[in-house]
Amino acid sequence: NAGVTQTPKFQVLKTGQSMTLQCAQDMNHNSMYWYRQDPGMGLRLIYYSASEGTTDKGEVPNGYNVSRLNKREFSLRLESAAPSQTSVYFCASTESGGGTEAFFGQGTRLTVV
Amino acid sequence: GEDVEQSLFLSVREGDSSVINCTYTDSSSTYLYWYKQEPGAGLQLLTYIFSNMDMKQDQRLTVLLNKKDKHLSLRIADTQTGDSAIYFCAESIYDYKLSFGAGTTVTVRA
Repeated sequence: NAGVTQTPKFQVLKTGQSMTLQCAQDMNHNSMYWYRQDPGMGLRLIYYSASEGTTDKGEVPNGYNVSRLNKREFSLRLESAAPSQTSVYFCASTESGGGTEAFFGQGTRLTVV
Repeated sequence: GEDVEQSLFLSVREGDSSVINCTYTDSSSTYLYWYKQEPGAGLQLLTYIFSNMDMKQDQRLTVLLNKKDKHLSLRIADTQTGDSAIYFCAESIYDYKLSFGAGTTVTVRA
């Protein structure tokens, strides 16, 4: 069972470079999310997609863009990376509705130098 | 997230009970969750409780919810070395958005 798959697992970028983090889920979930995890701050929501064709800003959207390519895939793009974006990024998905389990990918550790 | 607060560290002896505490601010929370993160891994759901419940028990895990004080706790009985991890409290305010606390790092010592 693949669940939620994120690529890449590790990435080092120079300031100003761009990149796209990929996420795919094979559970036919409606909702998908991107979080960043920083020490002592828990997980903060960057963007989410409640259903295919919709995306909305979360708590910390600045410097990021997203695309819900189809029901399976939800990508996160950094157009011009900054050192403040050094973090661990997690993609998650839920079937829909409260009380349903959020399934997380393994994370992408991004370092911006 | 700033709406969910938890202590950052807990050290417990193997075989003892662990109690991890969490407070949240939004009274409209519908579900409250506990997630576990092991080193280098994503988060896994341990358990959740609906906001109209006071307690939920699942094997070694007991969740207590005090809605008046907006306080949630997770008790792990007979703590084992495999329980060493970061534990996140989270609340669901809308149906599909989770707000996480900073996480409590639990260290189990022999």
